[in-house]
Amino acid sequence: NAGVTQTPKFQVLKTGQSMTLQCAQDMNHEYMSWYRQDPGMGLRLIHYSVGAGITDQGEVPNGYNVSRSTTEDFPLRLLSAAPSQTSVYFCASSLRVPSSGNTIYFGEGSWLTVV
Amino acid sequence: AQSVAQPEDQVNVAEGNPLTVKCTYSVSGNPYLFWYVQYPNRGLQFLLKYITGDNLVKGSYGFEAEFNKSQTSFHLKKPSALVSDSALYFCAVPRSNDYKLSFGAGTTVTVRA
Repeated sequence: NAGVTQTPKFQVLKTGQSMTLQCAQDMNHEYMSWYRQDPGMGLRLIHYSVGAGITDQGEVPNGYNVSRSTTEDFPLRLLSAAPSQTSVYFCASSLRVPSSGNTIYFGEGSWLTVV
Repeated sequence: AQSVAQPEDQVNVAEGNPLTVKCTYSVSGNPYLFWYVQYPNRGLQFLLKYITGDNLVKGSYGFEAEFNKSQTSFHLKKPSALVSDSALYFCAVPRSNDYKLSFGAGTTVTVRA
């Protein structure tokens, strides 16, 4: 059981470049989400999805796009990378929405540096 | 709005001593409460959660947490700490209005040999 798989683990981008962080889960979870973790800011929700074909914005969505064409995959796209997007990104999933009490499982993280 | 607070930025204990990481909550109704651990350069790993029932919840790696409704607390405990328990610990509560987990600021635990 792979759980939540994120790629790449590390990435360096130049300002203005675009890229996609991949996230996949093999637990048939309806809910998937992306967080970023920054020193002094904690974990902040970027985007989330409550099922295939349904996405919505979190706290800090600007500069990011997501799609959910399948239950398993939830990629995060950086449209035009900026130094402010230097961060650690975590994908997370759970069977149902967090308020259901289902456990949310996190991926191992993607360390992104924008220069 | 549902939120949690971790009053201590750091906790330092000697190996073999009891470990407590504090968390207080502000939740309307019956809370769901979670503890996660993050080792350096790793993702968040689920330790345990309180949904309902017994106030003492047992989780992974020998950790347990006690739900105390009168004190609105959910402290994480381990009877005998190991050096390998050194990590960043987060308390969290799910929010119903914006579909996310609300995390505490985190507590860095250092266990010295």
